[in-house]
Amino acid sequence: QVQLVQSGGEIKNAGASLRVSCKASGYILTTYGLSWVRQAPGQGLEWVGWIDTNNGDTRYAKNLQGRVTLTADRSTNTAYLDLRSLTSDDTAVYYCARERRFDYWGQGTPVTVSS
Amino acid sequence: DIVLTQTPLSLSVTPGQSTSISCRSSQSLLHSDGNTYLYWYFQKPGQRPQLLFYEVSLRSSGVPDRFRGSGSGTHFTLTISRVEAEDVGVYYCMQTLELPRTFGQGTKVDIK
Repeated sequence: QVQLVQSGGEIKNAGASLRVSCKASGYILTTYGLSWVRQAPGQGLEWVGWIDTNNGDTRYAKNLQGRVTLTADRSTNTAYLDLRSLTSDDTAVYYCARERRFDYWGQGTPVTVSS
Repeated sequence: DIVLTQTPLSLSVTPGQSTSISCRSSQSLLHSDGNTYLYWYFQKPGQRPQLLFYEVSLRSSGVPDRFRGSGSGTHFTLTISRVEAEDVGVYYCMQTLELPRTFGQGTKVDIK
């Protein structure tokens, strides 16, 4: 069955960098795009970015442009989110979700950034 | 960017009653391929969102037929008939017509 399994929770200091992984099973990662979504405590869903896992094309939310990079490794069927220069505003649960329907979501990776 | 506006932002419903949530888009979500890329999700506290409907009205596997998605163009509705306690949570609409993907603000549903 299809699953997206994310890496574990992280606690970071302000200014540090973050990497979250999203390993796909039950399907070949490169056959579907992938989006990342985050949810700050008590808030709604915020789209972070999208990657065409087949050719590596990416598109990012304007407010994260320059700090975020999405990649995909076909050899391990795993996608990655890298976020640099963390601030307390980046404290959130980060999800990966299979495009285009967002029919499968990872379990979420809680990230806390302390200032 | 496409803006999705949900109303109301919160609902309190008597078990067994029906309710509906509106999602209005700042532009038509009808694609030239004939599909309309509007989705509904449900999120219980502490859980990941789960897909309810794709392309407006196509029910995802396992979603009870008490739920119905409808609408076209820029106006969409999620209707829940015979609300049950397990329906408590937050409902979101989302569009994938274009990038960036955008979500509605969410509608919190609880039971009276």
